[in-house]
Amino acid sequence: ETGVTQSPTHLIKTRGQQVTLRCSSQSGHNTVSWYQQALGQGPQFIFQYYREEENGRGNFPPRFSGLQFPNYSSELNVNALELDDSALYLCASRQQGTGYEQYFGPGTRLTVT
Amino acid sequence: AQRVTQPEKLLSVFKGAPVELKCNYSYSGSPELFWYVQYSRQRLQLLLRHISRESIKGFTADLNKGETSFHLKKPFAQEEDSAMYYCALNLNKLVFGAGTILRVKS
Repeated sequence: ETGVTQSPTHLIKTRGQQVTLRCSSQSGHNTVSWYQQALGQGPQFIFQYYREEENGRGNFPPRFSGLQFPNYSSELNVNALELDDSALYLCASRQQGTGYEQYFGPGTRLTVT
Repeated sequence: AQRVTQPEKLLSVFKGAPVELKCNYSYSGSPELFWYVQYSRQRLQLLLRHISRESIKGFTADLNKGETSFHLKKPFAQEEDSAMYYCALNLNKLVFGAGTILRVKS
């Protein structure tokens, strides 16, 4: 069984740029969620994808967008980066309907300068 | 608004001492609560779920709806319990508390 993987591990961007983060879900999982974890805080829900459709969104502006692909992998895109976007971005996957446990990836550390 | 509060940023105990990590939640419905743990240089992982009512690594947590609490307890702390602990409310998305660092000293 392959766990959740994320790429890249670290990323440095400049304010105003755009970034794409990638996540491969655990084998057999059809639901992917993204979380933002700022320093010293718990993870905050950004959105969730199920069968390639967004089916839940947290309190994040539209410049945070995502995709899910037929193989259930996912991307998180952030446009017009701001300094406050600097955080650890976590991806989690689970099997909708049969699995309650979310399996987390190692995260991507984004620094915006 | 749904919220999870972990009042302690850091809890430091000696090996063999009892541990209680506090968690309070705000939710009007019937809550589903979890404890997640992150050991040093490892990813976030599920420790236990209130519905299962099981003990994992000696930890237990009881849901108290009257006090809206879900505190995590262990009678005798071990050094390998040192980690970051997050309480989370499941609303088809996880609402996390800010986390508590548990440091077990020898």
